[in-house]
Amino acid sequence: AAGVIQSPRHLIKEKRETATLKCYPIPRHDTVYWYQQGPGQDPQFLISFYEKMQSDKGSIPDRFSAQQFSDYHSELNMSSLELGDSALYFCASSLPGVATEAFFGQGTRLTVV
Amino acid sequence: GENVEQHPSTLSVQEGDSAVIKCTYSDSASNYFPWYKQELGKGPQLIIDIRSNVGEKKDQRIAVTLNKTAKHFSLHITETQPEDSAVYFCAASIWNAGNMLTFGGGTRLMVKP
Repeated sequence: AAGVIQSPRHLIKEKRETATLKCYPIPRHDTVYWYQQGPGQDPQFLISFYEKMQSDKGSIPDRFSAQQFSDYHSELNMSSLELGDSALYFCASSLPGVATEAFFGQGTRLTVV
Repeated sequence: GENVEQHPSTLSVQEGDSAVIKCTYSDSASNYFPWYKQELGKGPQLIIDIRSNVGEKKDQRIAVTLNKTAKHFSLHITETQPEDSAVYFCAASIWNAGNMLTFGGGTRLMVKP
């Protein structure tokens, strides 16, 4: 079965650089979520999109932005990177509706040096 | 916002024994409670979930119970196997425009052969 695809899997950037993470949801899933997971931490919700519109916003820094495109894939744009941005970034997708399962991708490991 | 507490943070059991992980949540409006298993370097994998209109759900060796009055839910794994070793996260969700998840702090389960 198709899963959530994230790219790249690994990314190394220098401080103050920008990074773009991509997420391709499971076919027919129109809701996308982004989470950040620091070392030894639980995933923290950043932002979500439903039908290409932002639906919820969590602890996402102003330096980050995201969008969902017409084909439902999503991109997380991160600017002025800081050392503390080093983390695993997960994308998840779900079908619309109440209490629907969210399926996670394999994540992008971002390292800021 | 929602706050999810998870205990214990680490759990070591002998192969064949049972493991129990407990979580409490703060917002009585939460209506969806998934459990995820995360192996090193991988994304969280949904293993079981329960909705607020159900008190218990079982899937082979895994069961989850929910006490809405006390606002706590638990994961039970019976006949543990070494491949059950991983970090387990509980989560809670309040549906509005999307099911953003608030995670517990995670439990590192180690099953000793």
